[in-house]
Amino acid sequence: DQQVKQNSPSLSVQEGRISILNCDYTNSMFDYFLWYKKYPAEGPTFLISISSIKDKNEDGRFTVFLNKSAKHLSLHIVPSQPGDSAVYFCAASARSNFGNEKLTFGTGTRLTIIP
Amino acid sequence: NAGVMQNPRHLVRRRGQEARLRCSPMKGHSHVYWYRQLPEEGLKFMVYLQKENIIDESGMPKERFSAEFPKEGPSILRIQQVVRGDSAAYFCASSPAGRRLMNTEAFFGQGTRLTVV
Repeated sequence: DQQVKQNSPSLSVQEGRISILNCDYTNSMFDYFLWYKKYPAEGPTFLISISSIKDKNEDGRFTVFLNKSAKHLSLHIVPSQPGDSAVYFCAASARSNFGNEKLTFGTGTRLTIIP
Repeated sequence: NAGVMQNPRHLVRRRGQEARLRCSPMKGHSHVYWYRQLPEEGLKFMVYLQKENIIDESGMPKERFSAEFPKEGPSILRIQQVVRGDSAAYFCASSPAGRRLMNTEAFFGQGTRLTVV
């Protein structure tokens, strides 16, 4: 039961162009969405987030868009840089029955920026 | 990320042995989350602990897996009688409170890669 889906396992983008990573979810109880970046042999690093009451959040080169009706979010990186090459995980948050937050992760998209 | 310490980084166990994974949260953090990443999959929630308390273990397999976070010392994820299917990367995250895992409030460690041979 994959509640958070990243359908593209990999993506290659030319340096300087826009990278668009997509994520779909099925659980309407999710009310907070996050993107994490992960380099090999390291833990995930928080990148950017968005609350379900918004449809856009921007932080420098990174923008996350949320379409609640379509249960879809995307991460835009512009311009793309070689250091952006990593695996990107989409995650969704909902409160558990115990009151704590529980993150549900997608399977990740490996982004490669071509110099 | 550097603040959450996990050890060992790599652990090899034979089938049937026990695996103990340690997580020292960031200074001042009293909440610990464990996640497991199987090959080619995303991270999956396992358990959420506060000091001396297991709050949510809904993601933990019912058999062979246990977790603790004692008053002193690191959080421990214990896997008894390991099987090949337990091979995965195990990540720990800590936060200063049970608030939302967002922004810089939650930090992930570098993970322990468990290989069962």
